Amino acid sequence: AQTVTQSQPEMSVQEAETVTLSCTYDTSESNYYLFWYKQPPSRQMILVIRQEAYKQQNATENRFSVNFQKAAKSFSLKISDSQLGDTAMYFCAFINSGNTPLVFGKGTRLSVIA
Amino acid sequence: DSGVTQTPKHLITATGQRVTLRCSPRSGDLSVYWYQQSLDQGLQFLIQYYNGEERAKGNILERFSAQQFPDLHSELNLSSLELGDSALYFCASSTLGHGNQPQHFGDGTRLSIL
Repeated sequence: AQTVTQSQPEMSVQEAETVTLSCTYDTSESNYYLFWYKQPPSRQMILVIRQEAYKQQNATENRFSVNFQKAAKSFSLKISDSQLGDTAMYFCAFINSGNTPLVFGKGTRLSVIA
Repeated sequence: DSGVTQTPKHLITATGQRVTLRCSPRSGDLSVYWYQQSLDQGLQFLIQYYNGEERAKGNILERFSAQQFPDLHSELNLSSLELGDSALYFCASSTLGHGNQPQHFGDGTRLSIL
């Protein structure tokens, strides 16, 4: 069974600084997809960024980028120029290429401090 | 706005009761997923429907059931409610239910059991 581990329950960062959230996963599949979702205090689930396992190039979305290390089964999220609105729970999620649901990690609570 | 609509936003009821949560997927999406998020936990997959048929089942209790109707909206029925069923219930949808298609989440229904 696939598992997703987020080893940092809580993190904090100063406004305008950079922070990296860690995620590791376990799978025997070769083709899969990885996601980071953000859940602000409003409790919405917002897709931040996605990465296809067959692509070597790391995905980037504005201030958000990932460091995807397939051999190490690692998928970290880097947030640059942190903003107060980035304060949220961040969930790493995995899905294989077939017809299976998302598997989520337990989340990292990020606080951006002014 | 993800395009996924969940009603009601909040539901308060008592133990032993039965409730129905409703989800309308994004226009054009055929696949619907239900997830449960207990307090400060990650999301746990309950069940998936694709074009009216059950496609995958997760850790869904026998007291819970779901269906997807011809107009593609879905309902999650929770019966004989217990205090531990208090949680945020999310619906998500994707185009065809394949792993390479991001799931878009509704705002959730917060269920409180008194």
